[in-house]
Amino acid sequence: NAGVTQTPKFRILKIGQSMTLQCTQDMNHNYMYWYRQDPGMGLKLIYYSVGAGITDKGEVPNGYNVSRSTTEDFPLRLELAAPSQTSVYFCASSYSTTGANTEAFFGQGTRLTVV
Amino acid sequence: GDSVTQMEGPVTLSEEAFLTINCTYTATGYPSLFWYVQYPGEGLQLLLKATKADDKGSNKGFEATYRKETTSFHLEKGSVQVSDSAVYFCALRGMNTGFQKLVFGTGTRLLVSP
Repeated sequence: NAGVTQTPKFRILKIGQSMTLQCTQDMNHNYMYWYRQDPGMGLKLIYYSVGAGITDKGEVPNGYNVSRSTTEDFPLRLELAAPSQTSVYFCASSYSTTGANTEAFFGQGTRLTVV
Repeated sequence: GDSVTQMEGPVTLSEEAFLTINCTYTATGYPSLFWYVQYPGEGLQLLLKATKADDKGSNKGFEATYRKETTSFHLEKGSVQVSDSAVYFCALRGMNTGFQKLVFGTGTRLLVSP
C-alpha cells in the first residue's frame, strides 16, 4: 500500500535551473496538494487540485507551476530555480476536502536546495 | 486570518515522562483541529483530531481536548516512549472550508531518551 509517493527525496539545483517534483497517489483521491515548509515555519500551500484537469493557486504559488492530467499524478514544476525556493516540499492527497471524516495523506517530502 | 501557535522545541524527555505540547489558535467560529506527526524519514500522518468544542481526540496514548474558551488544543501523553521521537504539527481547518485552507503550526520536535 504505497499511499503518496514523492520523488526525488533530495535535490540540489543551481540558480536558474528547472526541475519537476513528482507526486503520485494510489488511493484514487480527487484532491491533491503541494506544500512547502521553510525552517522554523509551518507548511504553506503552493497549489492544489480538485480533480484531473483542475488546479488552483494556494498561498505561495509564485515561481511554480502544476498540472493534473490524471487522478494519480500531480507534478510540481520549478522553471527558474531561486535560492528562496530552498525548502522541504510535501505532496498530499485526500478523498474529499470537507467533511468530519476526511483525512489528508502526506508523502515523505522532497528536500530541495538551490545554490 | 486563521493562525496556529505551537511551543518551540526541541522538547527533550526521558522515557516514561509526561508530555505536553502546547497549541493555541486564532480563528473565527468553530474550526476543526488536528495533530499531525512526522517520524524521521516519513511523511506527515494524522495523529488525532477534534471537530467541535470539548471534543477529545485520542490515538496511540496521545490525547488533546478542543478548548474553545482558551482557544487551545494541547497534546498530552502520560508516558512517552523512545519511539515517540518525532516532529508534531498542530493544524486547523476553518469552518466550512476544505483542506486547501489547512493552517499549520511550525512544528515541535520531541526527543525521547532511554
